[in-house]
Amino acid sequence: AQKVTQAQTEISVVEKEDVTLDCVYETRDTTYYLFWYKQPPSGELVFLIRRNSFDEQNEISGRYSWNFQKSTSSFNFTITASQVVDSAVYFCALSEAGTGFQKLVFGTGTRLLVSP
Amino acid sequence: GAGVSQSPSNKVTEKGKDVELRCDPISGHTALYWYRQSLGQGLEFLIYFQGNSAPDKSGLPSDRFSAERTGGSVSTLTIQRTQQEDSAVYLCASSLDIWGGTEKLFFGSGTQLSVL
Repeated sequence: AQKVTQAQTEISVVEKEDVTLDCVYETRDTTYYLFWYKQPPSGELVFLIRRNSFDEQNEISGRYSWNFQKSTSSFNFTITASQVVDSAVYFCALSEAGTGFQKLVFGTGTRLLVSP
Repeated sequence: GAGVSQSPSNKVTEKGKDVELRCDPISGHTALYWYRQSLGQGLEFLIYFQGNSAPDKSGLPSDRFSAERTGGSVSTLTIQRTQQEDSAVYLCASSLDIWGGTEKLFFGSGTQLSVL
């Protein structure tokens, strides 16, 4: 069965601090995709990244970076030099071959508060 | 339109009444999803459409919930005899491909449903 755990409910940082959001997943499939979505106060979830299970290469996009480690079933997200605009709820999600990739299972989200 | 549009943005209803929630996906997107976001349950998958067909209805919480999609475009989620536990934000998302789970989803801003 699919499961995504985001143990951090809320994180508060001061602007310019680095922050890492943790994500641990469970799946029996060898083929799966991992995602991060951002939900700002407006409510609309915004796609950030997709990773397939065969690609463990870390990715960096500007101030954002992702660390995928199959050995620990983790897909952590780091924001470097955080800004107030990064304040949002961040969701990690998983889809797997067993469900035809049609069902995205989300973690419970981590609320990030960045203060000036 | 440019994005996924949902209406109404807010709906207040009395317990026992029926409600209809509407989703207009991005033009050309063949896959459409409904999710529910509530404080206690996080983001729950409800149903997925490929074109007008719904191969996976496993997420619908009860037989009071139904959904349809016509013309491969607009979708309506209907909740009959609403209960207070139905109060939540109902999110719609669309994507280009049948392999929706492997593609990024575009979400609407949701319908906030309050059942009094």
